[in-house]
Amino acid sequence: TQLLEQSPQFLSIQEGENLTVYCNSSSVFSSLQWYRQEPGEGPVLLVTVVTGGEVKKLKRLTFQFGDARKDSSLHITAAQPGDTGLYLCAGQTTSGYALNFGKGTSLLVTP
Amino acid sequence: DTGVSQDPRHKITKRGQNVTFRCDPISEHNRLYWYRQTLGQGPEFLTYFQNEAQLEKSRLLSDRFSAERPKGSFSTLEIQRTEQGDSAMYLCASSSTGASYNEQFFGPGTRLTVL
Repeated sequence: TQLLEQSPQFLSIQEGENLTVYCNSSSVFSSLQWYRQEPGEGPVLLVTVVTGGEVKKLKRLTFQFGDARKDSSLHITAAQPGDTGLYLCAGQTTSGYALNFGKGTSLLVTP
Repeated sequence: DTGVSQDPRHKITKRGQNVTFRCDPISEHNRLYWYRQTLGQGPEFLTYFQNEAQLEKSRLLSDRFSAERPKGSFSTLEIQRTEQGDSAMYLCASSSTGASYNEQFFGPGTRLTVL
């Protein structure tokens, strides 16, 4: 059973456009991480959010954690080809240390 | 500062053979995790160690799978009598009990292909 649903599954945009990807669940998470993964490589941690309503910015990336700690979003401003990759959200519940991943959003940014 | 390393990066084997993968975590990290990722899916949790103790195992970890972390440093994941359904990327991650939010850092993975 997938605890986290990510949307959209695929996104193809042109350089300079803005985009938002979503991560939703019916479960409450103590923390939620966003990772980016390139083909044939392991996920690379981008950010961790822990407080309901929290907003974190990482250059052109803005991450938001829902007030109820059940959902999150990632907004990219002025996307660049280097942003291409698979974006994964992963939540940790209070019942263990395992991360529960969504299926990811595959982003392609073309010049 | 070295990150999580995994060896080998790629493994091709025939059905029925045994395979073993190694993971070296970030040196000061005492927690170590194994995940499996198939095409089009996010990583799925397999098992977790704190130091040398295996504290959590997923239902995905069948009897053919065994993981060890004998000295609380590196870990091995062995798959016996491999099946074609075992083909996947096997990911190792580590974290520190001293970290605030148990952030997990992943290695590059071992890509297993079972023919």
